Amino acid sequence: GNSVTQMEGPVTLSEEAFLTINCTYTATGYPSLFWYVQYPGEGLQLLLKATKADDKGSNKGFEATYRKETTSFHLEKGSVQVSDSAVYFCALSDTGGSNYKLTFGKGTLLTVNP
Amino acid sequence: NAGVTQTPKFQVLKTGQSMTLQCAQDMNHEYMSWYRQDPGMGLRLIHYSVGAGITDQGEVPNGYNVSRSTTEDFPLRLLSAAPSQTSVYFCASRSQPSSYNEQFFGPGTRLTVL
Repeated sequence: GNSVTQMEGPVTLSEEAFLTINCTYTATGYPSLFWYVQYPGEGLQLLLKATKADDKGSNKGFEATYRKETTSFHLEKGSVQVSDSAVYFCALSDTGGSNYKLTFGKGTLLTVNP
Repeated sequence: NAGVTQTPKFQVLKTGQSMTLQCAQDMNHEYMSWYRQDPGMGLRLIHYSVGAGITDQGEVPNGYNVSRSTTEDFPLRLLSAAPSQTSVYFCASRSQPSSYNEQFFGPGTRLTVL
């Protein structure tokens, strides 16, 4: 079956530090990959996505590249801000009969200190 | 568009009580789903629906019922609440079946069962 593994948190950084949150996946088909972000007290919202190998998703200074050879989709940002403090979820959506469903990782809590 | 709306935002129940968590979307999405979010567990799929009149179980369906009489609404019923159902519940929707379409989330319902 499908699964997503992302690095355990919490991650604590100082403002302007470089961020990497690792995400690897297992899928039976040709999945699309997503990063969702959850700010305190809110629901999840899409941060970025990539739908095929070697695609790079980007938004708000965050980037992630779909690497089929390493089955990875690591999230990066060059200079984090206090406002980036949130929980980040990696997710995949596979092709085929169950392409409605999203499979989520367990989430990584990021705290950015001023 | 209001997107995905959920009511109530907070609820406290006693063990054995029943209640319905409401979810509605105004985007004419076919696919709707319910998740629960617990610390260290990420998001777990409870039930989902691929259209009006069609529902199916997710990973953790026990103790919950759903129905989908209209495209817009997808209520989640707790039949006899238990302390193990204390959680944050998220409703989500997604457009026609495609692995790369974004899933939209509601703001969540925080449920405590005493």
